[in-house]
Amino acid sequence: KQEVTQIPAALSVPEGENLVLNCSFTDSAIYNLQWFRQDPGKGLTSLLLIQSSQREQTSGRLNASLDKSSGRSTLYIAASQPGDSATYLCAVRFNAGNNRKLIWGLGTSLAVNP
Amino acid sequence: DAGVIQSPRHEVTEMGQEVTLRCKPISGHNSLFWYRQTMMRGLELLIYFNNNVPIDDSGMPEDRFSAKMPNASFSTLKIQPSEPRDSAVYFCASSQLTSDGEQFFGPGTRLTVL
Repeated sequence: KQEVTQIPAALSVPEGENLVLNCSFTDSAIYNLQWFRQDPGKGLTSLLLIQSSQREQTSGRLNASLDKSSGRSTLYIAASQPGDSATYLCAVRFNAGNNRKLIWGLGTSLAVNP
Repeated sequence: DAGVIQSPRHEVTEMGQEVTLRCKPISGHNSLFWYRQTMMRGLELLIYFNNNVPIDDSGMPEDRFSAKMPNASFSTLKIQPSEPRDSAVYFCASSQLTSDGEQFFGPGTRLTVL
C-alpha cells in the first residue's frame, strides 16, 4: 500500500533556528512530490514541487530535497520566523496503482516561538 | 487572478438536509479536485475532473455524494442527505494542463452537520 508519513507530528522551536521537516513514502516509483503549508482555518498554499528527476528545489528560505531510493524528502527552513508557524503537508504522486493521485501525509505542526 | 474560489465558507445544517458546495477554479486550469479534510484521516481525494470530465470518483464515500462540473469555471459537490459524520472541511483545488501538475487550493468550506 502506498503511504506517506510525516514525523514528527508537531515541532516547537525558537525563532532563528534552522529546521528540517521529514516526509517518508513507501514506494520509490514516484512521479512528483509537493510540499504545502496550511495556516489554521485556511486553505493550503503550495510551497515547492519536486519532479522525480530532480534532487531539490529552493524558494527563498525553503529548500526541499528528494531521495527516491530511500523514500524520503526533507523540507529545510532557514532562519525560522514566527510567521513560519503553520502545518506543513507533504503529498506524493506515485507512478502507478492509483491513477497518479496525490497521497497525503498527516502533516507536521510547526510553532516558531519569538 | 483571484485564485480558487469556494462558497460558502461555512455551512451549518441539520442531518438529512441537502448541502451544495461550490467551486470556481483558476481560469485556464484544466483539472479540478475535491478533497475532504478531517483530524482523524487528514486530506482525502473525493473526485477529480480533467476538462470537465470526471476521471476518478473512487474516493466518493457513498451514493449520498455527487459532483458535477458543467463548465470549465464551475463545479459543485452535493451531499444528500447529509449526516453528522460528513462534518469536515471540504477543499477544492485546480491545476493547469494536467492532473499531475502543481495543485492550487481554495480556502475550503467548513461543513457542520448537526
